[in-house]
Amino acid sequence: DAMVIQNPRYQVTQFGKPVTLSCSQTLNHNVMYWYQQKSSQAPKLLFHYYDKDFNNEADTPDNFQSRRPNTSFCFLDIRSPGLGDAAMYLCATSRAGSGDNEQFFGPGTRLTVL
Amino acid sequence: GENVEQHPSTLSVQEGDSAVIKCTYSDSASNYFPWYKQELGKRPQLIIDIRSNVGEKKDQRIAVTLNKTAKHFSLHITETQPEDSAVYFCAAKGGRRALTFGSGTRLQVQP
Repeated sequence: DAMVIQNPRYQVTQFGKPVTLSCSQTLNHNVMYWYQQKSSQAPKLLFHYYDKDFNNEADTPDNFQSRRPNTSFCFLDIRSPGLGDAAMYLCATSRAGSGDNEQFFGPGTRLTVL
Repeated sequence: GENVEQHPSTLSVQEGDSAVIKCTYSDSASNYFPWYKQELGKRPQLIIDIRSNVGEKKDQRIAVTLNKTAKHFSLHITETQPEDSAVYFCAAKGGRRALTFGSGTRLQVQP
């Protein structure tokens, strides 16, 4: 099945200890997104890649970085996690182009910060 | 940028009744309006979407209507069932922008 895969599904880290979350896709979509979702809230866009073009949201903290080494993979790096960064992190993909707007979400990584 | 408002934040209905969730958007350039259902601890799942060249779309018990002039769109669920209980998010998108989500509606269907 073509899909969006996120690893790990659950991540526990210590306050201030860097962590990397990964996302891969077999859909060959050219756009990849990272969202942060806290309990009972809407997903909040952190950044997205349109092909190799990186687009950072204005209110995304500098603590969050991203890498996209190729079409299939995208990484979210949290350099110094704080307690407030505990959340579900969702990766999504889409194919840019006329009529192709649907975003496909991965299962998410739930991050716990101790 | 785009701003999407969603109402109500919670909705409780009896099984078999209809449920309606409404959203408004601000950017007239938005042309794609999906609705996602999210169950506890799971990813958002697309349940229906509509593009700006269409006024209404229906898929079995679910329908979405779009009024471009008024910049609002609505989700209608008929004959609700307990398994419809979840959080529903509307969203809007235009051009190269990512989706902008509404704040969500927690739907509870009472058996």
